[in-house]
Amino acid sequence: TQLLEQSPQFLSIQEGENLTVYCNSSSVFSSLQWYRQEPGEGPVLLVTVVTGGEVKKLKRLTFQFGDARKDSSLHITAAQPGDTGLYLCAGVTNSGYALNFGKGTSLLVTP
Amino acid sequence: EPEVTQTPSHQVTQMGQEVILRCVPISNHLYFYWYRQILGQKVEFLVSFYNNEISEKSEIFDDQFSVERPDGSNFTLKIRSTKLEDSAMYFCASSGQTSEQYFGPGTRLTVT
Repeated sequence: TQLLEQSPQFLSIQEGENLTVYCNSSSVFSSLQWYRQEPGEGPVLLVTVVTGGEVKKLKRLTFQFGDARKDSSLHITAAQPGDTGLYLCAGVTNSGYALNFGKGTSLLVTP
Repeated sequence: EPEVTQTPSHQVTQMGQEVILRCVPISNHLYFYWYRQILGQKVEFLVSFYNNEISEKSEIFDDQFSVERPDGSNFTLKIRSTKLEDSAMYFCASSGQTSEQYFGPGTRLTVT
């Protein structure tokens, strides 16, 4: 089972600050997905990255896939309280469709 | 917007009983999955299902578990002889031709 390490585990910032969270592995993934999960709910898909070096933007969120397809980052610009939640990365190997999840970064944005 | 639905939202059962968790995947999706999340832990893959058969399963998915697509819309997970450690959130997901998986809201299973 490929291990996806997410850092930091917890992050508490004030509204308006920028932040970056990381997702790292020693394994190569054919694709990597970022999800956001609220307590007691299912993960909600934010973005999928497939190509090494790929950058995708979703409003104030910028996602990057590492050149070697082993790591990814999520950068949030001017964070808002509505960004509060658990951010999960999950990778798919070349051998199937099973998602291997990280433990997530729990983000708290205070007004 | 199409979404994955799951029933029930919460299931309480006694140890040793059988439970069936139900899911309705997104209608034009072809791949179906079950995951579980024990409280405070990461989401774990259980099984994937395609073309009416299991395409991949994890070591968690032992003989206690089974999946079925009884008709054109439902996808079920059966857990026989439940154990205390089966208590978790169970998520169904579906995908089309890409690897993008869309998750349902989950069923919270509590085994007492």
